[in-house]
Amino acid sequence: AQTVTQSQPEMSVQEAETVTLSCTYDTSESNYYLFWYKQPPSRQMILVIRQEAYKQQNATENRFSVNFQKAAKSFSLKISDSQLGDTAMYFCAFMKQGGSEKLVFGKGTKLTVNP
Amino acid sequence: NAGVTQTPKFRILKIGQSMTLQCTQDMNHNYMYWYRQDPGMGLKLIYYSVGAGITDKGEVPNGYNVSRSTTEDFPLRLELAAPSQTSVYFCASSPGQANTGELFFGEGSRLTVL
Repeated sequence: AQTVTQSQPEMSVQEAETVTLSCTYDTSESNYYLFWYKQPPSRQMILVIRQEAYKQQNATENRFSVNFQKAAKSFSLKISDSQLGDTAMYFCAFMKQGGSEKLVFGKGTKLTVNP
Repeated sequence: NAGVTQTPKFRILKIGQSMTLQCTQDMNHNYMYWYRQDPGMGLKLIYYSVGAGITDKGEVPNGYNVSRSTTEDFPLRLELAAPSQTSVYFCASSPGQANTGELFFGEGSRLTVL
C-alpha cells in the first residue's frame, strides 16, 4: 500500500515571500503520478499541480513549482510571491498508473499567508 | 457550471439513524468517488465507481453503501449511524481513462452523529 506523509501540519509566510511545503511518499510502484491539491477555507478542493513520475523535469504552474526527487521519494511544493489567496490547506496526493484514478492523500499542511 | 453538487451541506444524526448523502455531477464523468475527511487525517476513500452499475470499496467502506444507477448520480448511504462517522464527506468525479488524476470535488457535507 502507498503512504503519503506531510510532516508540516501548519506553516505561515509573509505576502510576496516564498514558501516550500514538504511531502514524502512510499511506494513499490514504478509508474505513478503525484499531485498537490489546494483546499481554501470553506471552498472546494482544486488541483494545483501534477507530476508524472517518469518525467525528470519538475512541473511548474505559474507561481507554483515542485521539486521531485524520485530516488528520495520526495515531492515538495514551492509557492513563489505568496498571495493572500494562497491561504489554504494543501494536500499532497499519490496515484498509481492504471488505478482507477484513486488518490491517496497526505494529512495536509495548513498554510497561512500574512499581510 | 454546477460541476459536482452535494446535498445536504450539514446534517445532525442520532446514533442508529440512517441517511443518504446525495451527489450529482453534470460533466458526464465516468468515475466518481466518496471521501471522508477527519480533522488532521487527510482524505480517506470510502467507495468509488468507474461507471454506471459498477462500484467498489475503497479504504474505509464499513458502515456505508453506494449505488450508481446513472452516470450523473452517486449517493452514499449511511446505515445505523455511529459517532465514528462524524466527518466531512466529499464527493468527487473524474473523466477517467486518462490518468490525469484531476478530481473535481463537491463542496462537502458535514455530518455530525450524536
